[in-house]
Amino acid sequence: DTAVSQTPKYLVTQMGNDKSIKCEQNLGHDTMYWYKQDSKKFLKIMFSYNNKELIINETVPNRFSPKSPDKAHLNLHINSLELGDSAVYFCASSPGTGMGGDFGSGTRLTVV
Amino acid sequence: GNSVTQMEGPVTLSEEAFLTINCTYTATGYPSLFWYVQYPGEGLQLLLKATKADDKGSNKGFEATYRKETTSFHLEKGSVQVSDSAVYFCALSDSTGNQFYFGTGTSLTVIP
Repeated sequence: DTAVSQTPKYLVTQMGNDKSIKCEQNLGHDTMYWYKQDSKKFLKIMFSYNNKELIINETVPNRFSPKSPDKAHLNLHINSLELGDSAVYFCASSPGTGMGGDFGSGTRLTVV
Repeated sequence: GNSVTQMEGPVTLSEEAFLTINCTYTATGYPSLFWYVQYPGEGLQLLLKATKADDKGSNKGFEATYRKETTSFHLEKGSVQVSDSAVYFCALSDSTGNQFYFGTGTSLTVIP
């Protein structure tokens, strides 16, 4: 039933590890996004995909690599995790311009 | 470029008080405007939206009017409840729909 679901909800890992966060939407939306929310609640876009094609790739370290196997999925893989990567990561999807976005419940990543 | 500026928090109100959270934007073209709410420990939920000038978005007693002349989208509620305590984000989506731009969030606490 969940419209945008991302897993895991919590992720605690050591520096230097590689981890993935998965996102799936069952809304039939064309556009999917990854956002990073820092400790001050500021939301910044990382990536935007439209029909599996990368549209936006903000200034994000290339340790972050999104992958969209199909329109309903947008996964985020992070290599060589650093302390500064600790944040809440939100996946979102949207049917198009002006329609608003549906957000997942977030993945709280803690790098120790 | 596109950006959103919203009033700094935190905001603390007594139950049944009137709420205004200011939001102004800078955008090229014809953006759509949104208010999102984030309850403690949860993801972002779309609260209301407006897609063109003079549109009024409303939901759960909250309202905001898209004012092109003042580039504003202020959030208002006539009588807040304790359950409205959350962080509120103003956002815009540019004419491509490829990205949402968020304000910094305003934390609201309503006390009985």
